[in-house]
Amino acid sequence: GAGVSQSPRYKVAKRGQDVALRCDPISGHVSLFWYQQALGQGPEFLTYFQNEAQLDKSGLPSDRFFAERPEGSVSTLKIQRTQQEDSAVYLCASSLGGLGNTIYFGEGSWLTVV
Amino acid sequence: AQSVAQPEDQVNVAEGNPLTVKCTYSVSGNPYLFWYVQYPNRGLQFLLKYITGDNLVKGSYGFEAEFNKSQTSFHLKKPSALVSDSALYFCAVNPLGPMDSNYQLIWGAGTKLIIKP
Repeated sequence: GAGVSQSPRYKVAKRGQDVALRCDPISGHVSLFWYQQALGQGPEFLTYFQNEAQLDKSGLPSDRFFAERPEGSVSTLKIQRTQQEDSAVYLCASSLGGLGNTIYFGEGSWLTVV
Repeated sequence: AQSVAQPEDQVNVAEGNPLTVKCTYSVSGNPYLFWYVQYPNRGLQFLLKYITGDNLVKGSYGFEAEFNKSQTSFHLKKPSALVSDSALYFCAVNPLGPMDSNYQLIWGAGTKLIIKP
């Protein structure tokens, strides 16, 4: 596609429910990132993939968070047993990889846990 | 610790006036520098970046930014502001660390730009 596509755009989950957020990066982009953004704040790094390899997951806040990119293209961020503090916008981004390449963001998935 | 500072939480400018959104950084080496804009309920949109070469970089929507190595700054500018420029602006820096970590971006906290008619 022309840009990074994320779904769903909006998700309301009951506390304790599992959610899955999907990201379809720009075709050919090697690098894929997940960020978490609170309202009015900057993005906080969650995890990074190079092709199908998850090279950095240091930003995942707990073991309830899991991300995968099995074929090196589409990625899914899964949150198990959601808590209210998980409410945020989850941004996916992709780039060609390598130094200085621009990272392009999707529109985000807005998660509200009630 | 490496960091990016956007010293102003909010900048107010009258339409038609020039605008500046400030960004300074504290990282080792010669970083790559980026500006992104975020409109309400939208994702981050890339505006411009500095990699090397001319210190004045031109980007989307008439924005430009000036890299100043001695002052470690990368201020975003526009000669004549539009109401539609009102948004949240983020500065980000790629500190070019070890090869296995050079994908990392360090983000500023963001500056809310309000353009008044």
